[in-house]
Amino acid sequence: KAGVTQTPRYLIKTRGQQVTLSCSPISGHRSVSWYQQTPGQGLQFLFEYFSETQRNKGNFPGRFSGRQFSNSRSEMNVSTLELGDSALYLCASSLGQGRLVYGYTFGSGTRLTVV
Amino acid sequence: DQQVKQNSPSLSVQEGRISILNCDYTNSMFDYFLWYKKYPAEGPTFLISISSIKDKNEDGRFTVFLNKSAKHLSLHIVPSQPGDSAVYFCAASDSLGKLTFGKGITLSVRP
Repeated sequence: KAGVTQTPRYLIKTRGQQVTLSCSPISGHRSVSWYQQTPGQGLQFLFEYFSETQRNKGNFPGRFSGRQFSNSRSEMNVSTLELGDSALYLCASSLGQGRLVYGYTFGSGTRLTVV
Repeated sequence: DQQVKQNSPSLSVQEGRISILNCDYTNSMFDYFLWYKKYPAEGPTFLISISSIKDKNEDGRFTVFLNKSAKHLSLHIVPSQPGDSAVYFCAASDSLGKLTFGKGITLSVRP
């Protein structure tokens, strides 16, 4: 079965612009979580969506937002980009019922570079 | 405040030897622990997990040990192979299921 698909794989944006990243979960998975990976901070949790509702949120500024559609696909948006937003953005999907981490599967990520 | 700590950023071992990757946590509400492995340009992949009711879980060359009183877990890889060279993340979960990751450790296995 298809894995978690993230698009695009690579993105270069200019400071002040906004960006939208997409994540298609494994078929049947209803939960999508987003993470930011940077060399100094490791993997940091952004937010989790389940059945189109944000169920959990990390400690990121309001410039970071997301949404989930009825087909469980999720998008993440970052507005007013800063140089420090350059990172690998990963999404992970799971069934979302029971313990979240069961069956947690990551996509390959979107590498965002802000110049 | 880092609730999951991987204090060593890197580890280098000889092929065939044991690799021991350490992880400490501070939140006593964590009751499920996982290790993920990550190659460059790929997402993390699940390696092995352990519930807090156990102190050891083994899967082939990989064994995870949990010391709850010390809030410490470790991943042992025996024997280490060059293909094991990657970044390893320790992660912890509470009953709500949200994952908290450490910063990762880069393992290099020398042929």
